[in-house]
Amino acid sequence: DQQVKQNSPSLSVQEGRISILNCDYTNSMFDYFLWYKKYPAEGPTFLISISSIKDKNEDGRFTVFLNKSAKHLSLHIVPSQPGDSAVYFCAARETSYGKLTFGQGTILTVHP
Amino acid sequence: DTAVSQTPKYLVTQMGNDKSIKCEQNLGHDTMYWYKQDSKKFLKIMFSYNNKELIINETVPNRFSPKSPDKAHLNLHINSLELGDSAVYFCASSQEPRFGYEQYFGPGTRLTVT
Repeated sequence: DQQVKQNSPSLSVQEGRISILNCDYTNSMFDYFLWYKKYPAEGPTFLISISSIKDKNEDGRFTVFLNKSAKHLSLHIVPSQPGDSAVYFCAARETSYGKLTFGQGTILTVHP
Repeated sequence: DTAVSQTPKYLVTQMGNDKSIKCEQNLGHDTMYWYKQDSKKFLKIMFSYNNKELIINETVPNRFSPKSPDKAHLNLHINSLELGDSAVYFCASSQEPRFGYEQYFGPGTRLTVT
């Protein structure tokens, strides 16, 4: 039972355009959502997060949107750069113990 | 100066052997985690320690035993290795979960059981 799903295994975007990565969740108890970026042979690195009491959080080229009624969040990258090419994981937190539930990741490829 | 480090990076061993993976963080965090990334690329939490106390213990075979000698270290010992244990294991750390949500990951240990 996968509580966090990233239904697009891959996304290909032209440099300079917008990249939109999507994530759906089923557990209403999730109170915090995070996006991680992962390069091959490295661990995931934290990118941006959003609390369940907000609907948008922005950090430079990265914006995360949360639609609680639809149980959906998305990560927008504008403008996309070739260095953004990586696997992006969506994660959600349920309890105060810090347990994160991850999606299966989306491979983003940004073409020059 | 690596924040979260793991050793070894690669581990190839035979079925039935016992092996350990070590993790160290120099971020001053109180909480450390072990995750497993399987062949389908799902990252799933296995264990979490807060101030050397086990606080998360997911459904993991008893052959897996975490040990935290101090706040900066969390090791993973695996007994009687099986083929299905082949995966990438990530260590992570964070502040006290009530105060910080971001987890910082190590580079991973690729375990291959033959």
